[in-house]
Amino acid sequence: AQSVTQPDIHITVSEGASLELRCNYSYGATPYLFWYVQSPGQGLQLLLKYFSGDTLVQGIKGFEAEFKRSQSSFNLRKPSVHWSDAAEYFCAVGVPNSGNTPLVFGKGTRLSVIA
Amino acid sequence: KAGVTQTPRYLIKTRGQQVTLSCSPISGHRSVSWYQQTPGQGLQFLFEYFSETQRNKGNFPGRFSGRQFSNSRSEMNVSTLELGDSALYLCASSLDGASTDTQYFGPGTRLTVL
Repeated sequence: AQSVTQPDIHITVSEGASLELRCNYSYGATPYLFWYVQSPGQGLQLLLKYFSGDTLVQGIKGFEAEFKRSQSSFNLRKPSVHWSDAAEYFCAVGVPNSGNTPLVFGKGTRLSVIA
Repeated sequence: KAGVTQTPRYLIKTRGQQVTLSCSPISGHRSVSWYQQTPGQGLQFLFEYFSETQRNKGNFPGRFSGRQFSNSRSEMNVSTLELGDSALYLCASSLDGASTDTQYFGPGTRLTVL
């Protein structure tokens, strides 16, 4: 079965600084990979997803993620963080060609942004 | 297009009671999934419904049940509530629940069990 690890529970960055959130997965082949964001009092919103092809994926709100097969990682990055990016971020893994097998989510990384 | 709506947004119950939560998916979406979110366990999959049939079920006791109606609206029920059932319950809809589908989440129902 697939699994996801987000090693950082909480990260604090200064506004305008760059950001990288880590995600490592365990799966026997290349999985489908997703990043979601959850703002306080809100549901989850999809930032970006990777199925195949170009390993650098662009998403909404200026985020990007890079799939690295050799490291089983799918880290999320943003070059310049805005205060409105403060939220919880979840990495998720899906199984290709599995029909409707549910996603498995990491436990999340909470991002705080300071002035 | 309206998003996923969940009602009620907040609930307070006492141990032993039962509760029903409701989810209205995005128009045209036929798959509805339910998740339990807690600080310690993160998001855990409860079950998924498609065309009024439960297709997948997570590792939760039988006290947790659900159903889907012909208009794709879904309800989940928790009977004999326990303190540990306190959580945010999220509903997500997608077109047909395929692994490539984007899931759209509602804002959740915050359940507190006293």
